[in-house]
Amino acid sequence: AQSVTQPDIHITVSEGASLELRCNYSYGATPYLFWYVQSPGQGLQLLLKYFSGDTLVQGIKGFEAEFKRSQSSFNLRKPSVHWSDAAEYFCAVVGRGSQGNLIFGKGTKLSVKP
Amino acid sequence: DSGVTQTPKHLITATGQRVTLRCSPRSGDLSVYWYQQSLDQGLQFLIQYYNGEERAKGNILERFSAQQFPDLHSELNLSSLELGDSALYFCASGGLETQYFGPGTRLLVL
Repeated sequence: AQSVTQPDIHITVSEGASLELRCNYSYGATPYLFWYVQSPGQGLQLLLKYFSGDTLVQGIKGFEAEFKRSQSSFNLRKPSVHWSDAAEYFCAVVGRGSQGNLIFGKGTKLSVKP
Repeated sequence: DSGVTQTPKHLITATGQRVTLRCSPRSGDLSVYWYQQSLDQGLQFLIQYYNGEERAKGNILERFSAQQFPDLHSELNLSSLELGDSALYFCASGGLETQYFGPGTRLLVL
């Protein structure tokens, strides 16, 4: 069955430190890959997406993600975290031949220490 | 602002009742997707409509139904509500390559 795994439920980093959030997927073929962010009480905002081509993709707010086909992974990174990055982050996939319904991971909650 | 609107923002109701959640997609988007976010199940796809027709179904209970109207807004109807239906319900519009999410409707069933 198709699934997305985010192994870290909660991560705490210090402001200014680097960040990596892990995401692994299980899918028949390489899906489209997404990272969304949800701030408390807010909806979901798209950070970045990968369809094909360059495996390192840049997104908004200084985030980037790297697709590794051999590891079925799509990890999210940021070189220097800001306090405003505290939020919940969701990795999601969509099957290329599907109607577009997203399959989400369980999310990783990011806390930022001053 | 994603351009997707949802009403109401909050809804408190009792078990056994029926509620209707409303979603207006971004201008020009023909697809509407409904998702449920709960503590135990996470974010789950419920149902998708495209230009008035149902296109895909996910983990949607039989007590739940949806429709999309000619002006492209969509409604999600939840009936015979149970405590476990308490959740945040999102709608999104867009398509395969990008979906834009509304702010959600928080439903509390008491």
